[in-house]
Amino acid sequence: DQQVKQNSPSLSVQEGRISILNCDYTNSMFDYFLWYKKYPAEGPTFLISISSIKDKNEDGRFTVFLNKSAKHLSLHIVPSQPGDSAVYFCAASARSFGNEKLTFGTGTRLTIIP
Amino acid sequence: DSGVTQTPKHLITATGQRVTLRCSPRSGDLSVYWYQQSLDQGLQFLIQYYNGEERAKGNILERFSAQQFPDLHSELNLSSLELGDSALYFCASTADLAGGGEQYFGPGTRLTVT
Repeated sequence: DQQVKQNSPSLSVQEGRISILNCDYTNSMFDYFLWYKKYPAEGPTFLISISSIKDKNEDGRFTVFLNKSAKHLSLHIVPSQPGDSAVYFCAASARSFGNEKLTFGTGTRLTIIP
Repeated sequence: DSGVTQTPKHLITATGQRVTLRCSPRSGDLSVYWYQQSLDQGLQFLIQYYNGEERAKGNILERFSAQQFPDLHSELNLSSLELGDSALYFCASTADLAGGGEQYFGPGTRLTVT
């Protein structure tokens, strides 16, 4: 049972435009959400997170939006740069319930076209 | 550089064999997590240790075991290896005492079983 879903395996965006990556979850106990970026031959790198008590968190070019009623979150990258080309993973945990493990989606490969 | 180290980087072995993967967490981090990433899949949580004690278990096979030593490094032991065990194995650590927050990943060990 895939509790965290990233339905777009790949996405191509022109340099300078906005990249929007989407993630859906099914487990109502999830209360903390994270985005990771992964380059080939490297481990995932933490990008940004959001608690379920918020609906938006911003860090530089990266903004994460959370819609709890729809069980949906998205990562916006503005403006997109060639170095943003990577695989992006959405992850979730149920911190308030003492569940520390991260449940990951299958990833979206983002390609920024120069 | 996340500060998490993993050795070896690559491992090629035959079916039926046993291997040990090693992880050193970031300085001061007490929690270590192990994840498996098979081809085109998200990261699957295997097991977590906190200060030497097993804290949580995911979909870890009985042929797999792990431990965390007094110096906080961790080892993942995989035995009676099968072709399907070929995957990337990541270790992550965190200083997040509440758990379920940001985890910092090592570069991974790529295991190939032939």
